[in-house]
Amino acid sequence: EPEVTQTPSHQVTQMGQEVILRCVPISNHLYFYWYRQILGQKVEFLVSFYNNEISEKSEIFDDQFSVERPDGSNFTLKIRSTKLEDSAMYFCASAAGNTIYFGEGSWLTVV
Amino acid sequence: LAKTTQPISMDSYEGQEVNITCSHNNIATNDYITWYQQFPSQGPRFIIQGYKTKVTNEVASLFIPADRKSSTLSLPRVSLSDTAVYYCLVWGRDDKIIFGKGTRLHILP
Repeated sequence: EPEVTQTPSHQVTQMGQEVILRCVPISNHLYFYWYRQILGQKVEFLVSFYNNEISEKSEIFDDQFSVERPDGSNFTLKIRSTKLEDSAMYFCASAAGNTIYFGEGSWLTVV
Repeated sequence: LAKTTQPISMDSYEGQEVNITCSHNNIATNDYITWYQQFPSQGPRFIIQGYKTKVTNEVASLFIPADRKSSTLSLPRVSLSDTAVYYCLVWGRDDKIIFGKGTRLHILP
């Protein structure tokens, strides 16, 4: 069964450092998403991406964040100058039709 | 975006059938109803999706009445490993998926 894969599964970074989270969406999917989940809280939408551009973003997705599809297969989330409150699980997702499939997440801890 | 309402938590026993109902009164014509399961520190896992009437797969059934203002996820003969958070999501192709708080299902031995 095809799946969305994410790397790294865990990352610890120092406050102020830049982090890149990587995702390989399901191969024939055209819509890509990033979500995050702070420990004990609900899953929050960050950004959606279609046709090589951002189609929608939440208020969380400020200038600190950026997304890119550098090579037609990977979909990355870059977090610049990380803050303690960026510690969370980050989920990548992709969709072709009316169903979104999520990856297993990247657990980011900012210290 | 259609808002969903579902119970915050439910308890059941192993071997029982569990039904979780979700309300989505302002569902739009092009919205699909999708249920996800999430275990701690894992990504939401697709369970089942439907538009109207009844859908069944190897893990669950989804019942949707004619007015589509609610839906019921049915899990037959649950086991301890079904303890998880279950999300009801209503989504149209051009919308972003917005997660609610989900239903924390706790299966007891």
